[in-house]
Amino acid sequence: DIQLTQSPSFLSASLGDRVTITCRASQGISSYLAWYQQKPGKAPKLLIYAASTLQSGVPSRFSGSGSGTEFTLTISSLQPEDFATYYCQQLSSYPPYTFGQGTKLQIK
Amino acid sequence: EVQLVESGRGLVQPGESLRLSCAVFGLTFSSYEMNWVRQAPGKGLEWVSYISASGSTIYYADSLKGRFTISRDNAKNSLYLQMSSLRVEDTAVYYCATGYRYGSMDYWGQGTLVTVSS
Repeated sequence: DIQLTQSPSFLSASLGDRVTITCRASQGISSYLAWYQQKPGKAPKLLIYAASTLQSGVPSRFSGSGSGTEFTLTISSLQPEDFATYYCQQLSSYPPYTFGQGTKLQIK
Repeated sequence: EVQLVESGRGLVQPGESLRLSCAVFGLTFSSYEMNWVRQAPGKGLEWVSYISASGSTIYYADSLKGRFTISRDNAKNSLYLQMSSLRVEDTAVYYCATGYRYGSMDYWGQGTLVTVSS
């Protein structure tokens, strides 16, 4: 199975900061990677698919990049509503559609 | 407006069975691949199962070891997850989600909590 490792697991940042979350795959997955945002008590929300394509309705301050085994999610200028947990998910080979362990983004 | 609504009895004892349902509104259900994803309390997301739009292709997480069965009824716009021999470690919020481009999941239900406890 393909494993995904996100870093960092916890991140403290301030409003307006630029933050980057990394997701590394245990083997190449081309661009078959998605990013989700989850707030407490809520379902995940799709932010990015195909590694770098912004889902409709998602603010342009979110961006994704990478291919193969290393991927990043960048938030260019943190807004109050961005404090949440972020997950990457690989969709290259299944089963399983592996998720990363998550990155909790907190206010500094 | 697209809505996915999960339902299923909340508290069961170890070894019992339970069927979850996911009613889908606002899209052409028969055209969509579907998934179940779960999240144990305070933990991360775990993909559980996938079913193609026609129901002809099905996948499961290895950890389920044949205890779970995914199915769908396109005439009723509904997805199901039959869970048997439930264990304490199956305690989680279970989400249904539609398949989207490159296998991602765009629409999600609100989740239904399944608690397995004696």
